[in-house]
Amino acid sequence: SQTIHQWPATLVQPVGSPLSLECTVEGTSNPNLYWYRQAAGRGLQLLFYSVGIGQISSEVPQNLSASRPQDRQFILSSKKLLLSDSGFYLCAWSYGQGTDTQYFGPGTRLTVL
Amino acid sequence: TQLLEQSPQFLSIQEGENLTVYCNSSSVFSSLQWYRQEPGEGPVLLVTVVTGGEVKKLKRLTFQFGDARKDSSLHITAAQPGDTGLYLCAGEGRGANNLFFGTGTRLTVIP
Repeated sequence: SQTIHQWPATLVQPVGSPLSLECTVEGTSNPNLYWYRQAAGRGLQLLFYSVGIGQISSEVPQNLSASRPQDRQFILSSKKLLLSDSGFYLCAWSYGQGTDTQYFGPGTRLTVL
Repeated sequence: TQLLEQSPQFLSIQEGENLTVYCNSSSVFSSLQWYRQEPGEGPVLLVTVVTGGEVKKLKRLTFQFGDARKDSSLHITAAQPGDTGLYLCAGEGRGANNLFFGTGTRLTVIP
């Protein structure tokens, strides 16, 4: 069966510090991968998606970046965090096209102080 | 960007009551998905509707896709505390790799 992992589960970082969130998928090959950010109790904002190794599409211009160094690994990064980067970050995968069912990880709660 | 607005934003009801949540857009979607999210967890898919006018039932939950494929509704009959959560609709965007998520409806069912 397929599983998706995210870590860390929670993170508190000062403004201006770097960020690295990791997402890995097990049990499938060549998945589509996604990073979303969710404001408290609200809908999901798609940040990045990837259809393959080294292929990243950005949906929202900002100080975040994403990388996919391996088939089932997706990393969200920032060189300098802003207060507005606080939120709940969700990684998801799908088998093929992004309109397929997306399976979400447990999320990372990021607080920037 | 294809915007999906959900209403109401917040809903608090007593156990046993019925409710309807709406998902509306000015854009046409090829399909639409409904997810439920528990606090601190990722969303979990409930259903996908594909055909205009389609109605799907999942126990006490009834999902309908509008005839014009611009809107959808979720009706819950005899709500239970276990139905509490954030309900999100998501539409298939024009791009091959995008789902556009709605603004969400936070439902609280009081025992």
